[in-house]
Amino acid sequence: GESVGLHLPTLSVQEGDNSIINCAYSNSASDYFIWYKQESGKGPQFIIDIRSNMDKRQGQRVTVLLNKTVKHLSLQIAATQPGDSAVYFCAETDNTDKLIFGTGTRLQVFP
Amino acid sequence: EADIYQTPRYLVIGTGKKITLECSQTMGHDKMYWYQQDPGMELHLIHYSYGVNSTEKGDLSSESTVSRIRTEHFPLTLESARPSHTSQYLCASSEDSPYGYTFGSGTRLTVV
Repeated sequence: GESVGLHLPTLSVQEGDNSIINCAYSNSASDYFIWYKQESGKGPQFIIDIRSNMDKRQGQRVTVLLNKTVKHLSLQIAATQPGDSAVYFCAETDNTDKLIFGTGTRLQVFP
Repeated sequence: EADIYQTPRYLVIGTGKKITLECSQTMGHDKMYWYQQDPGMELHLIHYSYGVNSTEKGDLSSESTVSRIRTEHFPLTLESARPSHTSQYLCASSEDSPYGYTFGSGTRLTVV
């Protein structure tokens, strides 16, 4: 059978709480970062992006933080809802046109 | 509503068979990509194209081949499927990559 989830870090949060999903990247030359959400049976969907000349960017209920010193990226989801349950991936690029994806994090929201 | 379509959604096929996974987009994007994704794992780029008659291999070695005869169509072919090809295959397109990627829903391939 499938090993879905066995290789995947999982974050479980209660509905209404805030979620923080983390991502470490290795290429110091990366200058553009994206967070994607992938629901079961679907392709990744764009959530929010940030360029390396910024350290924070906010969207609707989501915030991305970038710490270039330690090569760390985080996605904060405010007031997490059941519909936020999915696998979240960060992706980076170093000014080429190809994205490099990180290992995803599964977000589970319970009532 | 998706503007990039992949067929079939699911495919179970025997070892040694030739298969073609279809990907079509209606956005007129020049750049198209194929990613391979094992369950719960990250996406790995296997092929990409910058336009008609342009195809390149990605970062992950793959025994598959691709073609780009029309802007909207970017099929992926496996000449002889093996169990090691079992995976999910995701197609994407972009007008101005790396920005604005649109992904299809994927084809879940199982080779028995």
